[in-house]
Amino acid sequence: DTAVSQTPKYLVTQMGNDKSIKCEQNLGHDTMYWYKQDSKKFLKIMFSYNNKELIINETVPNRFSPKSPDKAHLNLHINSLELGDSAVYFCASSPHLDKRHTGELFFGEGSRLTVL
Amino acid sequence: DAKTTQPNSMESNEEEPVHLPCNHSTISGTDYIHWYRQLPSQGPEYVIHGLTSNVNNRMASLAIAEDRKSSTLILHRATLRDAAVYYCILRVTLSPWAGGTSYGKLTFGQGTILTVHP
Repeated sequence: DTAVSQTPKYLVTQMGNDKSIKCEQNLGHDTMYWYKQDSKKFLKIMFSYNNKELIINETVPNRFSPKSPDKAHLNLHINSLELGDSAVYFCASSPHLDKRHTGELFFGEGSRLTVL
Repeated sequence: DAKTTQPNSMESNEEEPVHLPCNHSTISGTDYIHWYRQLPSQGPEYVIHGLTSNVNNRMASLAIAEDRKSSTLILHRATLRDAAVYYCILRVTLSPWAGGTSYGKLTFGQGTILTVHP
């Protein structure tokens, strides 16, 4: 079973459209993340949720809205897509951070979004 | 966020040891040093992490300088499958050990592209 799974793996769409990427983890983790990897291969954190609560929001445009229906799912909805949104989006999860866990992240395989 | 500095690229021959350096001179006392790698067309993969002492696991070893301002990831015998981008990251902990929960975030730098020659 895939630990962190994302759908779709590839997404090609026109500017101005609205699209969603779904993420699910079956690891029982409390925290989930969205990262964006641009054409220069830099990985940047966008959002993080802990038990359905938003805890990290890294100056991402309002067009991006994460939704966490439960702690195993974190979806990313993007409104009014722009050319600059083309990137690979990675979902990740990590266990609750405490003295026992320093929270290594488990990443999905990525969703490549191409905006034409 | 404390930053890390890594060489842009390194090369190695198969079955030889590889030492990947990382400088993190502004590390704070509660920052863990994490290493991840990203194989082509895949998501990043956790390799190893440490705080002060050297660490070993099945994938690699992590040697941490006594002043914690630098560290080295050691692949004991490189294989072709180890060719990847290796990221050295400081795990920022918020409100650590303060009786409540702590949330960390990973800030990836540019990493080191490791090429392994047959």
